[in-house]
Amino acid sequence: AQSVAQPEDQVNVAEGNPLTVKCTYSVSGNPYLFWYVQYPNRGLQFLLKYITGDNLVKGSYGFEAEFNKSQTSFHLKKPSALVSDSALYFCAVRDLGDDYKLSFGAGTTVTVRA
Amino acid sequence: DGGITQSPKYLFRKEGQNVTLSCEQNLNHDAMYWYRQDPGQGLRLIYYSQIVNDFQKGDIAEGYSVSREKKESFPLTVTSAQKNPTAFYLCASSRTSGGMNTGELFFGEGSRLTVL
Repeated sequence: AQSVAQPEDQVNVAEGNPLTVKCTYSVSGNPYLFWYVQYPNRGLQFLLKYITGDNLVKGSYGFEAEFNKSQTSFHLKKPSALVSDSALYFCAVRDLGDDYKLSFGAGTTVTVRA
Repeated sequence: DGGITQSPKYLFRKEGQNVTLSCEQNLNHDAMYWYRQDPGQGLRLIYYSQIVNDFQKGDIAEGYSVSREKKESFPLTVTSAQKNPTAFYLCASSRTSGGMNTGELFFGEGSRLTVL
């Protein structure tokens, strides 16, 4: 079965510093990977996805993610974090047997201090 | 504006009662989903529907039921058989491209159910 893990429950950074949110995956075959963001008491918003092609994927709000097959990772990055980036971030992987099913990680809470 | 509307936003229920959460979308998406969110556990799939009049169980379907009579609507009923129903419930939809699901989910604002 496909799964993702987010090894950090929380990430704290200062505004203007680089932000990285980690995600590792376990997939038999080529993975379809996603990042979503959730602001307090709201639904999730799609940020970006990797299907195939370039290992560096660019998404919304200045975020990007790097796919690394040898390390089975798909870390989310932003070169310069903003206070407004403070939110809960989820990594997800699509089920290879059913492309309607996504498995989500437990989430990482990002706090950007001014 | 196009989007997904969930109602009610907050709901309180006594034990033993069934409750129905509404989800409506005007994005013209074929697929719709219900997820449950609990602190520290991410999202877990309850039910999903690829097309009208068809739906499949997700990972935690026990104690829940759904219907998909219209493309725009995918209500979720939390029955009295659900042993721990207090949670945040999220409805989502997705579009297809070239006959395949894109996997890009559009979410509603959520419904928070509390069982007293």
